[in-house]
Amino acid sequence: EDQVTQSPEALRLQEGESSSLNCSYTVSGLRGLFWYRQDPGKGPEFLFTLYSAGEEKEKERLKATLTKKESFLHITAPKPEDSATYLCAVQANSETSYDKVIFGPGTSLSVIP
Amino acid sequence: SAVISQKPSRDICQRGTSLTIQCQVDSQVTMMFWYRQQPGQSLTLIATANQGSEATYESGFVIDKFPISRPNLTFSTLTVSNMSPEDSSIYLCSVRQDANTGELFFGEGSRLTVL
Repeated sequence: EDQVTQSPEALRLQEGESSSLNCSYTVSGLRGLFWYRQDPGKGPEFLFTLYSAGEEKEKERLKATLTKKESFLHITAPKPEDSATYLCAVQANSETSYDKVIFGPGTSLSVIP
Repeated sequence: SAVISQKPSRDICQRGTSLTIQCQVDSQVTMMFWYRQQPGQSLTLIATANQGSEATYESGFVIDKFPISRPNLTFSTLTVSNMSPEDSSIYLCSVRQDANTGELFFGEGSRLTVL
């Protein structure tokens, strides 16, 4: 069964303290891995898509990387406005999961000034 | 990216009643999806809303409980029927603008509380 897990469940950082969030996945064939940011009371906001192992994407203080089993979201010198829940999602490449995007449980990030 | 509007943004409902959530997109999209996000949890796909045909439901979700309409390429509704407190959730409409990618764009969500 296709599955996505994320760790840690919650992360508290001091402003400027870099760290990484982990997303581990089990799918029969990966079509794409996605990172989203969700602020309280809002819908998820798309950040990145990664398609193959070794691929990297960057946006401001965020960098996403992908291996064959997991993805990391690196946050460099975070600011309080980076506080949010970060969701990882995968789209499987199988007949039984056509077009379905499966979300992980998320990591709640708090950046303290 | 598409602008997705949902109504209502929030509502408080009585047990046993039904509520219809509307999702309007500012451009034509092929694929629309309805997700549920229960308190403190991640997103679970309810169904894919297919234009011109019945919705495709995920395991654990049935048409009698969550009827969906998709009359055109910019609009869909999700009804939560015969509500119970367990239906208290955020319901999210999402779209895929490019059929060749899996990237989803979401509305702001509809927060339902069932008393």
